[in-house]
Amino acid sequence: DGGITQSPKYLFRKEGQNVTLSCEQNLNHDAMYWYRQDPGQGLRLIYYSQIVNDFQKGDIAEGYSVSREKKESFPLTVTSAQKNPTAFYLCASSLQREGAGELFFGEGSRLTVL
Amino acid sequence: AQSVTQLDSHVSVSEGTPVLLRCNYSSSYSPSLFWYVQHPNKGLQLLLKYTSAATLVKGINGFEAEFKKSETSFHLTKPSAHMSDAAEYFCVVSDLYSGGGADGLTFGKGTHLIIQP
Repeated sequence: DGGITQSPKYLFRKEGQNVTLSCEQNLNHDAMYWYRQDPGQGLRLIYYSQIVNDFQKGDIAEGYSVSREKKESFPLTVTSAQKNPTAFYLCASSLQREGAGELFFGEGSRLTVL
Repeated sequence: AQSVTQLDSHVSVSEGTPVLLRCNYSSSYSPSLFWYVQHPNKGLQLLLKYTSAATLVKGINGFEAEFKKSETSFHLTKPSAHMSDAAEYFCVVSDLYSGGGADGLTFGKGTHLIIQP
């Protein structure tokens, strides 16, 4: 079945450590996105990519980094520069750049900083 | 700039009664509007979308929404609630030309729907 796979589902990190969240899609979608979700805040865009080897900052990119070396993969690194990284992270993809299309979401990764 | 307001953070209904989740939006141009549902610790799933065709939009699981330009509203309804409808619901406005998120999307803060047995 086609879809988006995020891993790990749960992740614990000590302060000062970088962690990488994986996102893989087999939908042959061009665009991929990373969102952060905090209780009562809706979703906030971290980074997005419309094509391989290109990505754009979203609204809250500070403290995060991404790469898009393959069409199907869009990993997110939460760096030690992110001051409040505990959150639920969602990866999504769409057939085209968002504006008229549907987003397909993974099941999320919950990061907790100890 | 575009914005979206979900008027209720929590809505509680009894099983078998109607559901109404309210969403108002602001956009300078003709937006696309979406409703997504999120079950606990899961990703979001599209319920329905409006993209300037019919103003009454039917979605999955018996949900529908009506686009009312004069009221700038896009409320989500369902005639009869089921226990499986308990979830978080997000209204989303999409307009590449009116600001909002970097990708043109603005998410509401969500409405938690509680179904009483």
